[in-house]
Amino acid sequence: NAGVTQTPKFRVLKTGQSMTLLCAQDMNHEYMYWYRQDPGMGLRLIHYSVGEGTTAKGEVPDGYNVSRLKKQNFLLGLESAAPSQTSVYFCASSRGVAGGLYTDTQYFGPGTRLTVL
Amino acid sequence: AQSVTQLDSHVSVSEGTPVLLRCNYSSSYSPSLFWYVQHPNKGLQLLLKYTSAATLVKGINGFEAEFKKSETSFHLTKPSAHMSDAAEYFCVVTDPYNQGGKLIFGQGTELSVKP
Repeated sequence: NAGVTQTPKFRVLKTGQSMTLLCAQDMNHEYMYWYRQDPGMGLRLIHYSVGEGTTAKGEVPDGYNVSRLKKQNFLLGLESAAPSQTSVYFCASSRGVAGGLYTDTQYFGPGTRLTVL
Repeated sequence: AQSVTQLDSHVSVSEGTPVLLRCNYSSSYSPSLFWYVQHPNKGLQLLLKYTSAATLVKGINGFEAEFKKSETSFHLTKPSAHMSDAAEYFCVVTDPYNQGGKLIFGQGTELSVKP
């Protein structure tokens, strides 16, 4: 049981290049999330998904796109990378609803450290 | 709107002494609250969560937190710090009735433990 995995672990891009970050979970979770972590700002939600084929914007969605074609995978794309997107990216997943409340624990991946030059 | 304020960006304690990490929240309804820990270059791990049951919540590794509605606080404590507790700690709030389960993170408190 690997939990939540992220690919790649590190990446360096040049401004304007594109890339896709892959998140995979093997817990059959309905909900998946992408966050970015910047110093002194905690984690901020980029996009999330409440089920296969669905996506929604979070707090800081600009410059990113996502897709959830399979329940176990959640992809984060950068079409034209900018230096402001240098960050550590975390994926998380949860069952979604527990006891009628949307408070279920989110399980986090190890992160992807992205540098945009 | 919900928000979380962690009152200290950095806390330093000696091994064996108590730990107190302070968190205040703002919410217009009964929130769910969490504490997550992040060790260097690692992902986040759940320490404990409050979901409107007992106001004193016990978590892993000897940590606990008390939900105080009158003070809008959810401080994290541990009676005796261990070197392995050195990490960054995040207080998190969410709306339990809002589909999506979106988390709102505080800015984080870095805990240092001196031998």
